[in-house]
Amino acid sequence: AQTVTQSQPEMSVQEAETVTLSCTYDTSESDYYLFWYKQPPSRQMILVIRQEAYKQQNATENRFSVNFQKAAKSFSLKISDSQLGDAAMYFCAYRSDETSYDKVIFGPGTSLSVIP
Amino acid sequence: GAVVSQHPSWVICKSGTSVKIECRSLDFQATTMFWYRQFPKQSLMLMATSNEGSKATYEQGVEKDKFLINHASLTLSTLTVTSAHPEDSSFYICSASLIFEYGYTFGSGTRLTVV
Repeated sequence: AQTVTQSQPEMSVQEAETVTLSCTYDTSESDYYLFWYKQPPSRQMILVIRQEAYKQQNATENRFSVNFQKAAKSFSLKISDSQLGDAAMYFCAYRSDETSYDKVIFGPGTSLSVIP
Repeated sequence: GAVVSQHPSWVICKSGTSVKIECRSLDFQATTMFWYRQFPKQSLMLMATSNEGSKATYEQGVEKDKFLINHASLTLSTLTVTSAHPEDSSFYICSASLIFEYGYTFGSGTRLTVV
């Protein structure tokens, strides 16, 4: 079974600085998708960025980028020029592309605080 | 596009009663929807996969008789918590996807409090 691990329960960053959130996963599959979701205090889940496992190029979305290391099964999120609105819970997520199930497996989350 | 609407946002019910939560895909058809439960400061725990026109698939440990799921149309899935007890108090979230490769869209969640 696939598992997703986030080893940093809490992180903090100064406003305008850069922070990296870690995520590792365990799978025997070769085709899958990885996501980072943000959950602010409103508790609305928001997709931040996604990565297809077959793509070697790391995904980027404005200030958000990932470092995808397939062999190491690592998928970290880098937030540049951190803003107060980035404060939230961040969940790393995995979805298989090889099984008939559509379900997404979430990591335990990292709580990010942004210090003014 | 790909908006998921969830109602109600919060509900308080008495112990022993039932409460229904609705999840609608507003601008797309969702043959599959997912229901999650989230405790404070914890991750999302998948409860069940809701399939239009067929029975839901429940995760291990989830009581299917307590958490009734109905996916009667391509745009609506409902979760009914039957004979609610205080331990059922939690945050419930639904999600669906227009194109799963692009990620999943989540409803705004329902905070259930059983008193």
